[in-house]
Amino acid sequence: EPEVTQTPSHQVTQMGQEVILRCVPISNHLYFYWYRQILGQKVEFLVSFYNNEISEKSEIFDDQFSVERPDGSNFTLKIRSTKLEDSAMYFCASSVRGDTQYFGPGTRLTVL
Amino acid sequence: QKEVEQDPGPLSVPEGAIVSLNCTYSNSAFQYFMWYRQYSRKGPELLMYTYSSGNKEDGRFTAQVDKSSKYISLFIRDSQPSDSATYLCAIHAGGTSYGKLTFGQGTILTVHP
Repeated sequence: EPEVTQTPSHQVTQMGQEVILRCVPISNHLYFYWYRQILGQKVEFLVSFYNNEISEKSEIFDDQFSVERPDGSNFTLKIRSTKLEDSAMYFCASSVRGDTQYFGPGTRLTVL
Repeated sequence: QKEVEQDPGPLSVPEGAIVSLNCTYSNSAFQYFMWYRQYSRKGPELLMYTYSSGNKEDGRFTAQVDKSSKYISLFIRDSQPSDSATYLCAIHAGGTSYGKLTFGQGTILTVHP
């Protein structure tokens, strides 16, 4: 069964460093998303991406964040200058039509 | 008022029990309703999806939506220890929302043998 994959599973970085989180969505899906979940808190929407552009973003998704689909298979989330409060699980999701979304296993980001 | 509210539990039941999990929401524009299961430190796994009021059944799972009351439920029959996980309701408005999901807090369920 096709699934969303994410790499790395765990990323440790120093505050102020740039990180790139990678996702490979399900191959025939057209809508792509990033969510995050701070430990013990809700899963929160960050951004949706369709037709090679951001379709919606949350207040969390400020200028420090960017997304890219550099080729036909990868979808990346970049955080330019990480802060302590960026420590969280980051989930990528994809969808055929923008309704049912399938999530990857997540990347645990630890900012020291 | 929070957009989606879900009792975080924890909920502990014996094996074989019927489990009822619930969410309420405030925005009447919400049209699509999902339940996800999340094991510790894993990604949410889609269990059920519905967009209309009424019941939808899949094996031991039944999703129920009451749009007039803005209330959604997930029932698990004959619960098993492997059902122990956090259950998340997730809702989106459809239309031009491009699928942004709003999640509940999640209910932690433990099914003990």
